[in-house]
Amino acid sequence: ETGVTQSPTHLIKTRGQQVTLRCSSQSGHNTVSWYQQALGQGPQFIFQYYREEENGRGNFPPRFSGLQFPNYSSELNVNALELDDSALYLCASSPGRRNTEAFFGQGTRLTVV
Amino acid sequence: DQQVKQNSPSLSVQEGRISILNCDYTNSMFDYFLWYKKYPAEGPTFLISISSIKDKNEDGRFTVFLNKSAKHLSLHIVPSQPGDSAVYFCAAFGTTGNQFYFGTGTSLTVIP
Repeated sequence: ETGVTQSPTHLIKTRGQQVTLRCSSQSGHNTVSWYQQALGQGPQFIFQYYREEENGRGNFPPRFSGLQFPNYSSELNVNALELDDSALYLCASSPGRRNTEAFFGQGTRLTVV
Repeated sequence: DQQVKQNSPSLSVQEGRISILNCDYTNSMFDYFLWYKKYPAEGPTFLISISSIKDKNEDGRFTVFLNKSAKHLSLHIVPSQPGDSAVYFCAAFGTTGNQFYFGTGTSLTVIP
């Protein structure tokens, strides 16, 4: 059974650019959630995908978008990057929508300069 | 609006002693609470959870206490070990939602 893996682990982008982060969910899990963790803060919910459909969204602007594939892996896309988007992006997978015990990946550290 | 708060950013404890990490929440709709542990360069790992129908849950050296009237939960680690040094996040889950609400974390250092 593989765990949750995210790629890349680190990324540096310029303000205004676009970025795509990837997440492979744990085997058997059909739900993926994305979180943003800014420095010194707790993770903040971005959105959740359940069986390829968005199933809830936090307080993030539309330039944060996502996708889930038939194999339940997922992408997080961020357009028009801003300096404040610099953060650790965490992906969590779970076997259902109410993911009370989600398994997290190691995260992608995004730096926007 | 921070619905889950961890007011102590850091805590130092001697090895073998008890570590007590605290968490407060404001939303009475939360019905499930968890503690996650995070090492640098790793994602959070699940530690222990408690449902709102209970006031205590124990797993080895880790015990979580829930005081619903005070909207407060705590994590006790006994005895503390140097390997417990990490950032601990409290998280809450609501009856109508599908997302975790995390606190800002407490960095625990266990001194050998």
